[in-house]
Amino acid sequence: QQQVKQSPQSLIVQKGGISIINCAYENTAFDYFPWYQQFPGKGPALLIAIRPDVSEKKEGRFTISFNKSAKQFSLHIMDSQPGDSATYFCAAAIYSNYQLIWGAGTKLIIKP
Amino acid sequence: EAGVAQSPRYKIIEKRQSVAFWCNPISGHATLYWYQQILGQGPKLLIQFQNNGVVDDSQLPKDRFSAERLKGVDSTLKIQPAKLEDSAVYLCASSAQTGKNTEAFFGQGTRLTVV
Repeated sequence: QQQVKQSPQSLIVQKGGISIINCAYENTAFDYFPWYQQFPGKGPALLIAIRPDVSEKKEGRFTISFNKSAKQFSLHIMDSQPGDSATYFCAAAIYSNYQLIWGAGTKLIIKP
Repeated sequence: EAGVAQSPRYKIIEKRQSVAFWCNPISGHATLYWYQQILGQGPKLLIQFQNNGVVDDSQLPKDRFSAERLKGVDSTLKIQPAKLEDSAVYLCASSAQTGKNTEAFFGQGTRLTVV
């Protein structure tokens, strides 16, 4: 019940295309859903996060869509650029204790 | 603002040896986390400190792993004795956890290889 399932494991997108990564969770107590971006040799960095009181959050080219009833959330990267090539992790937590449960990661490659 | 500092960056040891990692969190951050990230997986929380007290160490293999955070600032994570399956990147993160600002900032990690 603590798991967060992430798909796909890897993704190749043409430059300018839309990258979509999906996550699903089981624990209905989770109320904080961040996405992290990790470049090789670096620690993860927070990209964007959402609370369940909204169904969508947009920051620049990055959008989180959240479906509370389906217990799913997704990351959309619009106009994907080669610099977006990285591993993306979704996570979930109970906001008050911030103990993140992480997905397995998606390796995204943007082809020029 | 300086980020989370970790050392060493890389470490190679033989199984059954001991190893220690060091973390200096962002100044003023009360909460410190140690994560283990095995290649191809998401990070797994090992231990969470609030100041110098342990909040959660339920996933820390206490027969071989230990961690401390003296004076509520720097922290060390030790493995003794190491096993092959301990090969991973060990990430330290810190957060302010004041009000709504609970974002955790990560260091670059220490890549441990046990041979």
